[in-house]
Amino acid sequence: NAGVTQTPKFRVLKTGQSMTLLCAQDMNHEYMYWYRQDPGMGLRLIHYSVGEGTTAKGEVPDGYNVSRLKKQNFLLGLESAAPSQTSVYFCASSSPPGLALDAEQFFGPGTRLTVL
Amino acid sequence: AQSVTQLGSHVSVSEGALVLLRCNYSSSVPPYLFWYVQYPNQGLQLLLKYTSAATLVKGINGFEAEFKKSETSFHLTKPSAHMSDAAEYFCAVSVGDMRFGAGTRLTVKP
Repeated sequence: NAGVTQTPKFRVLKTGQSMTLLCAQDMNHEYMYWYRQDPGMGLRLIHYSVGEGTTAKGEVPDGYNVSRLKKQNFLLGLESAAPSQTSVYFCASSSPPGLALDAEQFFGPGTRLTVL
Repeated sequence: AQSVTQLGSHVSVSEGALVLLRCNYSSSVPPYLFWYVQYPNQGLQLLLKYTSAATLVKGINGFEAEFKKSETSFHLTKPSAHMSDAAEYFCAVSVGDMRFGAGTRLTVKP
C-alpha cells in the first residue's frame, strides 16, 4: 500500500516549456487535489476532482490544467511554464464518497519544480 | 469565505518546554478544523481534527488542540517538546474546500 505517489520528484523547466505531473493513489479515494506550496503562503488549492471524469477549479487555477481519466490518477499540466510557477506541488486524496468535509487528506511527497 | 491565520511564522522552544502554536479561524458556518505537520522534504500528515464532537481534541505524538468558539481559535499545544517535534505545522479549515494557514515552523533547542 503505497498511499499517494507523485512523479517526478524534481524538475527544472525553461520558460514556455510544458510538462505533466502525475499523482497516483491506491486507497480508492474519490476526491483528489493539487496544491502548490510557496514560502509564507501555506498550501493553495489549484484544482480538485470529486470523482473519475470530473474536475473543478480551486483558489489558483490559472496556468494549469488537470485530468482525471482514471479514479486512481490525477494529472496536473502546465502548458507554457512561467517563473511564477516555480513552487513545490503536492497532490492529496481523501476518502469516501459524499460530502466528507471532515475527511482527512492524504498527501504525496511533493514535486519540486523550478522554472527558469 | 473561510480562512485561518497562524500567529508567528517561527516558534522556538527548548526541549521539555511547552509548545503553543496559535491559529485563529474565520468562518460564517460551523467549521471543521485541522492541524497538519510537515517534516522536511515530506508531504503533510494529519495531527488532529475538530468536527464538533468535543472541544478538546487529542492527536498523535502528544499534541492536542482546543476549539474556542468565543475566541475563534484552535491553538495547538504539547506539554513537553521533543527534538523530533521540529517541523512545520499548518492549521486548516474546511467548509467545502480546505484552506490552509501560512504555516509555523517549530524549532526545538537542546
